[in-house]
Amino acid sequence: DVKVTQSSRYLVKRTGEKVFLECVQDMDHENMFWYRQDPGLGLRLIYFSYDVKMKEKGDIPEGYSVSREKKERFSLILESASTNQTSMYLCASSPIVGRNQETQYFGPGTRLLVL
Amino acid sequence: AQSVTQPDIHITVSEGASLELRCNYSYGATPYLFWYVQSPGQGLQLLLKYFSGDTLVQGIKGFEAEFKRSQSSFNLRKPSVHWSDAAEYFCAVGAGTDKLIFGTGTRLQVFP
Repeated sequence: DVKVTQSSRYLVKRTGEKVFLECVQDMDHENMFWYRQDPGLGLRLIYFSYDVKMKEKGDIPEGYSVSREKKERFSLILESASTNQTSMYLCASSPIVGRNQETQYFGPGTRLLVL
Repeated sequence: AQSVTQPDIHITVSEGASLELRCNYSYGATPYLFWYVQSPGQGLQLLLKYFSGDTLVQGIKGFEAEFKRSQSSFNLRKPSVHWSDAAEYFCAVGAGTDKLIFGTGTRLQVFP
């Protein structure tokens, strides 16, 4: 089974703090994703990485950065946390197989509260 | 631009009743279509997916979905709902890239 793990289930931070959210997948997938989930808005893509050290902005990248130094690990960084970044953060990974759109596999999520 | 619409924000059904969750997409070519389920406090789990071929797709937990090109729909169905099906359900479309576009979700509540 594909396993995607996220470093924390719950996190409480203060405004202005630097926050790191870590995601690790164990299936050698090329693609990794960070989403933000808010009630009534569904999942919105923050950043996407298709290879080590490669990244692409999603729909809402402002206030976030990412790092992918190893294939299995994809980090989301909030340089200076703000209260409007309080949300559920979901990491996902998917393989590249030919030209097909492949299934994304999700971690359990990190619920972040910024005070 | 590609988009996904789930018109029902919240649905309530009785245990044992049938269920249909609606999903409409906007995409010019044949899409890749997915249904995911999210139990409270959990990540998303794939229920089923449509890539090509038979338009009626079977998934896990007794769910099925039908792709209707003429209606741009991919509705999720289950003939008899169980209390454990209470969750949030997301429809998603893959538009020829590695990214997915998700709908806003439908929350299912099941009464005994």
